[in-house]
Amino acid sequence: KNEVEQSPQNLTAQEGEFITINCSYSVGISALHWLQQHPGGGIVSLFMLSSGKKKHGRLIATINIQEKHSSLHITASHPRDSAVYICAVGSGGGADGLTFGKGTHLIIQP
Amino acid sequence: DGGITQSPKYLFRKEGQNVTLSCEQNLNHDAMYWYRQDPGQGLRLIYYSQIVNDFQKGDIAEGYSVSREKKESFPLTVTSAQKNPTAFYLCASSKTGGEGQPQHFGDGTRLSIL
Repeated sequence: KNEVEQSPQNLTAQEGEFITINCSYSVGISALHWLQQHPGGGIVSLFMLSSGKKKHGRLIATINIQEKHSSLHITASHPRDSAVYICAVGSGGGADGLTFGKGTHLIIQP
Repeated sequence: DGGITQSPKYLFRKEGQNVTLSCEQNLNHDAMYWYRQDPGQGLRLIYYSQIVNDFQKGDIAEGYSVSREKKESFPLTVTSAQKNPTAFYLCASSKTGGEGQPQHFGDGTRLSIL
């Protein structure tokens, strides 16, 4: 069974700062997902990646398959980025469900 | 717009009572999932289904049951055998195949014990 570890658990930063959230996993995967959960509980998929790097707006996700590690970066952070960011991994094509980290609670102060 | 609808948003259960959480999707996805979220813990997989009339247990299936009679629907029943049902329940769906597919999530149902 895959073990997914995220760090830090909690992060408070000032508006405009560059944010990095890390995720490591123990067993080879088919894909890694970064998700965003807002206070109401709904979850939005940000990225799914199996190699390299992806960028969407101010968000960048990278993965190193050999080191079993991924990072999520937020450039020019804004208070609206405040949320819980969750790393999850899938194997066997991903259709057998994901294994999740505990999440990183991010607060961006104005 | 396509998406996943979970209902109700809040649900209360009396001791010894079974309750059913609804999950409907109009994304034409083959795979559907139920996850449970507890404070301070990551989401955990309860059941999943890759095709109609078939489903598999996840990591914490005890005390839960599901059915998949239609592609669009994957209801979860929390039975009286589930001794600690208070949690936030999330339904998700995805396409199957390839090297993994993004999962689309509903807004969740928060279940509490009266």
